[in-house]
Amino acid sequence: GAGVSQSPRYKVTKRGQDVALRCDPISGHVSLYWYRQALGQGPEFLTYFNYEAQQDKSGLPNDRFSAERPEGSISTLTIQRTEQRDSAMYRCASSLYGGELFFGEGSRLTVL
Amino acid sequence: AQKVTQAQTEISVVEKEDVTLDCVYETRDTTYYLFWYKQPPSGELVFLIRRNSFDEQNEISGRYSWNFQKSTSSFNFTITASQVVDSAVYFCALSEVTGTASKLTFGTGTRLQVTL
Repeated sequence: GAGVSQSPRYKVTKRGQDVALRCDPISGHVSLYWYRQALGQGPEFLTYFNYEAQQDKSGLPNDRFSAERPEGSISTLTIQRTEQRDSAMYRCASSLYGGELFFGEGSRLTVL
Repeated sequence: AQKVTQAQTEISVVEKEDVTLDCVYETRDTTYYLFWYKQPPSGELVFLIRRNSFDEQNEISGRYSWNFQKSTSSFNFTITASQVVDSAVYFCALSEVTGTASKLTFGTGTRLQVTL
């Protein structure tokens, strides 16, 4: 597609439920990143992939968070047993090799 | 560890005024990139500029200009003759270049409000 596409744009869930957020990067982009942005803060790195390989997951807060990109294109960020503190904007970005990151519009997650 | 500081939380100016957004960074890397992104009220993150650590030349793009000073670890952004449409949160970011990818460390952002 023309840009990075994320879905859902908005997700409201109850505490304890699992959530899956999807990212469709710009076609041909090798690298895919997940960031989390709390209200009033800058985005914080979670994890990134080159093709299908997860290169760095040092930013994932705990083992309830996981991400995959099985075919080197679309990626899913999964949060298990959601907690209220997980509420944030989750942003996906993609880039060509080491180039600038192009961000999607984000998925706003609210955990009640 | 990398760090980006945007000390100005919020700035208000009247249209046509010039405004400078400050950005100070910390890194131990000798090779790195600096970025500015704009986040308008609609919420998306819009790429504005990328500058590598070896290029200290200032850059101008229309009403936007950037001043990179390695000696003071600063990468400031100036908007000349500001307009209401410039109202947004502006983020400065620093990237660690690891292999084929760029991990960004963002500042906390500066909210710019331009009024008539």
